[in-house]
Amino acid sequence: EDQVTQSPEALRLQEGESSSLNCSYTVSGLRGLFWYRQDPGKGPEFLFTLYSAGEEKEKERLKATLTKKESFLHITAPKPEDSATYLCAVQGRLGGSEKLVFGKGTKLTVNP
Amino acid sequence: GAVVSQHPSWVICKSGTSVKIECRSLDFQATTMFWYRQFPKQSLMLMATSNEGSKATYEQGVEKDKFLINHASLTLSTLTVTSAHPEDSSFYICSAKAGRNIQYFGAGTRLSVL
Repeated sequence: EDQVTQSPEALRLQEGESSSLNCSYTVSGLRGLFWYRQDPGKGPEFLFTLYSAGEEKEKERLKATLTKKESFLHITAPKPEDSATYLCAVQGRLGGSEKLVFGKGTKLTVNP
Repeated sequence: GAVVSQHPSWVICKSGTSVKIECRSLDFQATTMFWYRQFPKQSLMLMATSNEGSKATYEQGVEKDKFLINHASLTLSTLTVTSAHPEDSSFYICSAKAGRNIQYFGAGTRLSVL
């Protein structure tokens, strides 16, 4: 069964203090690993998709990387508006399902 | 990016009544839509996969007779919670597949059953 574990559960940073969020996964053949941002009471907002180990993607202050066992979301010089819960999800190849399996997320708080 | 609209955003109903939630892809056609449920401090859990013009595929443990899904067009899927009970209170979120296998999500529906 595909599984995703995210750490830490919560992270508090000062504005400008860079850090990384971790997503460890087990999957029966990776079709894709997805990062989303979720604000309270809202649906997830798509950030990145990574398809193979070694791949990296960047968007503003965020950079996502992927290995065969985990993915990192690096946040450089975060701002208060980056505060949100960041979700990681994997999609496996088993049975041709398009199902996304999500972790519980990391709640990021950036203090001014 | 692709926009998915979900309605209503919040609904309160009495136990035993039915509630319908709509999910629309506004600027793209979606042959496949998905319905998730999220309990507080828990991960999103897939309930069912909805394919246009065919029956939905339900995840193990999800009652298909209780959670009715209809995907009648390439831009609309609906979820009806029948005979709702307090334990059905949750945050329901739909998504639609676009582009390179990317799911775009609606804003979610908070269901409270009294």
